[in-house]
Amino acid sequence: GQQLNQSPQSMFIQEGEDVSMNCTSSSIFNTWLWYKQDPGEGPVLLIALYKAGELTSNGRLTAQFGITRKDSFLNISASIPSDVGIYFCAGQPYSSNTGKLIFGQGTTLQVKP
Amino acid sequence: DAGVIQSPRHEVTEMGQEVTLRCKPISGHDYLFWYRQTMMRGLELLIYFNNNVPIDDSGMPEDRFSAKMPNASFSTLKIQPSEPRDSAVYFCASSDRFLSSYEQYFGPGTRLTVT
Repeated sequence: GQQLNQSPQSMFIQEGEDVSMNCTSSSIFNTWLWYKQDPGEGPVLLIALYKAGELTSNGRLTAQFGITRKDSFLNISASIPSDVGIYFCAGQPYSSNTGKLIFGQGTTLQVKP
Repeated sequence: DAGVIQSPRHEVTEMGQEVTLRCKPISGHDYLFWYRQTMMRGLELLIYFNNNVPIDDSGMPEDRFSAKMPNASFSTLKIQPSEPRDSAVYFCASSDRFLSSYEQYFGPGTRLTVT
C-alpha cells in the first residue's frame, strides 16, 4: 500500500533551537496534516494543508504543502520543553477520496532544557 | 464541545477473555475510525464507518476482531477471544467530511494489556 516516509525518526535538541522534519511520498497527495502526540494521549491536530505551495503557521509551528504535492515539512522555532512528543504527518492521496489518511511513522522529539 | 470520548482508558485482561472498547465520536461527525498503535507497527487503521456503515475493514487483523456502530453517537470494537499480541493502544477518531474535509480528531485511547 501507499506509504509516507517521515524523517528524521528522532531528534534530540537543545531548548531554543529550531526543528525541521519532513514527509515524502512517491505519489501525489491532496491534503497534508500534522499531528502531535503527547505520552499517554491521542494525536492532536496541529496544522492542515490543502493547496500545493500553501504555508501555514500555528504559533511557533510552520508547515508547508510541497509544490510537487509529494511532500510536506513542519518547522518548530525556538523549541521549548513542552514540544517533546511524537510528531506525525498524515495525508490523503489524490487518487483516493475515501476519507482514509496515510500516516508517517512519526518523529520523536526530545528537548533538553 | 466535547472531543472524542473513549472508554475504558485502561483495560487489563487475561488471554481468552472478551474485550469491548467504546467510542463516542464528536457530535455531527459522519466518519468514525478505529486505529491500533504499537511500537513495532506504528498507527494502523483497523476499520472505518461512514454514516454508521462500515466502509473498509481490511485492516481488521482477524475474525477475533469485530466493530459495530449502532448509531451516530456510539461505536464498539470487540476482541473475542483476546490474545497477548492484541496488547496495544486503541484509538478512535472522527471527522466531518463536509465541514473540515479529511481532518480526523482522535480520542485519548484505550491501553489494552492482555496477559
